[in-house]
Amino acid sequence: TQLLEQSPQFLSIQEGENLTVYCNSSSVFSSLQWYRQEPGEGPVLLVTVVTGGEVKKLKRLTFQFGDARKDSSLHITAAQPGDTGLYLCAFEYSGGGADGLTFGKGTHLIIQP
Amino acid sequence: DTAVSQTPKYLVTQMGNDKSIKCEQNLGHDTMYWYKQDSKKFLKIMFSYNNKELIINETVPNRFSPKSPDKAHLNLHINSLELGDSAVYFCASSTGWPSAEAFFGQGTRLTVV
Repeated sequence: TQLLEQSPQFLSIQEGENLTVYCNSSSVFSSLQWYRQEPGEGPVLLVTVVTGGEVKKLKRLTFQFGDARKDSSLHITAAQPGDTGLYLCAFEYSGGGADGLTFGKGTHLIIQP
Repeated sequence: DTAVSQTPKYLVTQMGNDKSIKCEQNLGHDTMYWYKQDSKKFLKIMFSYNNKELIINETVPNRFSPKSPDKAHLNLHINSLELGDSAVYFCASSTGWPSAEAFFGQGTRLTVV
């Protein structure tokens, strides 16, 4: 059973378009994290969402945590080739870091010039 | 300075060999991790370790063993390598509180032939 379902799995769009990717679950989370991974590199943390209904913005990226804290979305406005990468959502079973992170399978995003 | 560094970046070895991957973090974090990313880019926790406790994912074969000479280092030793061990291995660290927001190394691509 995959605890975190990410969709779409693959997305290829033109530069300048908007897009939304999703991270869904039937479980309730205390927080969710979003990472971006570029080829040949490790994942880099983008944001952590904690409060149900929370919206966080990082330049052209907007992250939302669902009211029930079961899902999250990432919206990119006016996508640029530099946004290309693997977007991963993740949670941890218990606070304190002892369990590490459980990741979704990711969304592979390609922004074509 | 690189926050989390691991070596080597690439490792090609024959089946049955024993190999180690080294990891160092200069962030002063208390908790370190090893993750495995398979060919489909699915990232999965293998171990988490702080100065008090080693937590092992139950699916990890006992041929894999983490070794921590000190708080800043967590090396991964693998015995009797198998073809299925081919993957990218990531070291990461976090403060562990309030959540396991992780800083990742660049990864070690292990190829077993």
